[in-house]
Amino acid sequence: GDSVTQMEGPVTLSEEAFLTINCTYTATGYPSLFWYVQYPGEGLQLLLKATKADDKGSNKGFEATYRKETTSFHLEKGSVQVSDSAVYFCALRPLGGNNDMRFGAGTRLTVKP
Amino acid sequence: NAGVTQTPKFRVLKTGQSMTLLCAQDMNHEYMYWYRQDPGMGLRLIHYSVGEGTTAKGEVPDGYNVSRLKKQNFLLGLESAAPSQTSVYFCASSPTQGTEAFFGQGTRLTVV
Repeated sequence: GDSVTQMEGPVTLSEEAFLTINCTYTATGYPSLFWYVQYPGEGLQLLLKATKADDKGSNKGFEATYRKETTSFHLEKGSVQVSDSAVYFCALRPLGGNNDMRFGAGTRLTVKP
Repeated sequence: NAGVTQTPKFRVLKTGQSMTLLCAQDMNHEYMYWYRQDPGMGLRLIHYSVGEGTTAKGEVPDGYNVSRLKKQNFLLGLESAAPSQTSVYFCASSPTQGTEAFFGQGTRLTVV
């Protein structure tokens, strides 16, 4: 079935470092792809999304490009801040079928000053 | 706007007790979901609904029941709680297929 695999954490970076969190997916057709962020004690918030191949989602300095050829949707940010410390989830929503959202295991990011 | 609201936020149950978690959304969304979040396992779908009066099983439905009598509400029930159901439960809703889901703040449930 459709699934998402994202890099295991935790990831610890210094402020202003470059961030990459890898995400690959397995799906038939062209699913919609998402990155969600979860701050401590809170629910998941949508960070960015892409709905078709070669689309780039961006928000708050984060970017991810929908790569059909490599079935990937890696999250990147050029300069992280302490306030970016959170758990990041990659997710996909397949076309048709149950259409429920499939999540990766999550990657915990800690940014140190 | 309230968005997706879950009640309660915290609960401790004894093994064998029952309870109902309530999810309410004010966005007129058709789709609603219940997930559980466990360390290192991401979110797993328990049950979902594609409209008022409909429900369906997700990935981990055993031990849970749901109802969607009104479009804005989605209830998750535990008939006889077990320690394995200790988790954080999230409700979500979305307007149509292929769109993002909007999440509630979560309910932390501990079964002792």
